[in-house]
Amino acid sequence: EDQVTQSPEALRLQEGESSSLNCSYTVSGLRGLFWYRQDPGKGPEFLFTLYSAGEEKEKERLKATLTKKESFLHITAPKPEDSATYLCAFKGGGGATNKLIFGTGTLLAVQP
Amino acid sequence: DAGVIQSPRHEVTEMGQEVTLRCKPISGHDYLFWYRQTMMRGLELLIYFNNNVPIDDSGMPEDRFSAKMPNASFSTLKIQPSEPRDSAVYFCASSFWTGSSYNSPLHFGNGTRLTVT
Repeated sequence: EDQVTQSPEALRLQEGESSSLNCSYTVSGLRGLFWYRQDPGKGPEFLFTLYSAGEEKEKERLKATLTKKESFLHITAPKPEDSATYLCAFKGGGGATNKLIFGTGTLLAVQP
Repeated sequence: DAGVIQSPRHEVTEMGQEVTLRCKPISGHDYLFWYRQTMMRGLELLIYFNNNVPIDDSGMPEDRFSAKMPNASFSTLKIQPSEPRDSAVYFCASSFWTGSSYNSPLHFGNGTRLTVT
């Protein structure tokens, strides 16, 4: 069964303390690995899409990477405004489907 | 672009009552998704539509849940009768076909927080 697991469930960092969030997946025929950010009371906001192992994408202090079994979201020198829940999701290849399956997220708190 | 618009933002109702959640997708998007988010289970896909036609409703929990998309700019998710375990945040999202093998990313609304007492 296709599934995705995120770790850690929660992470507390000091401002400027770099770290990484993990998203492990088992999917038959990955057709995209997605990262979203969710702020309290809001819907998830799209960050990145990765399609193949070795691919990397960056946006400000965030960089997403992809291997055959996992994806990492690296946060360099985070600021308090980076505090949010980070969700990863995948689109599998089984059947004619366009649905995204989400992990349960990592709650990131960056303290000044 | 106003984004995906959901209403109401909050809904409090009593067990047994009918609840209707509404969604207006982004203009030009031909896919619409309904998700439910809880602390225990995270984001779960309930149903999605393509060109107003339901494609996959395997995530709809039971017959009490139904969804419609009468036109490209409006969708509803109805729960009848509602139960306390339906309490969650319900999100609507939309996307469009890019013409390649992949859809555009999902754009989410800000959700409806449903509380059933």
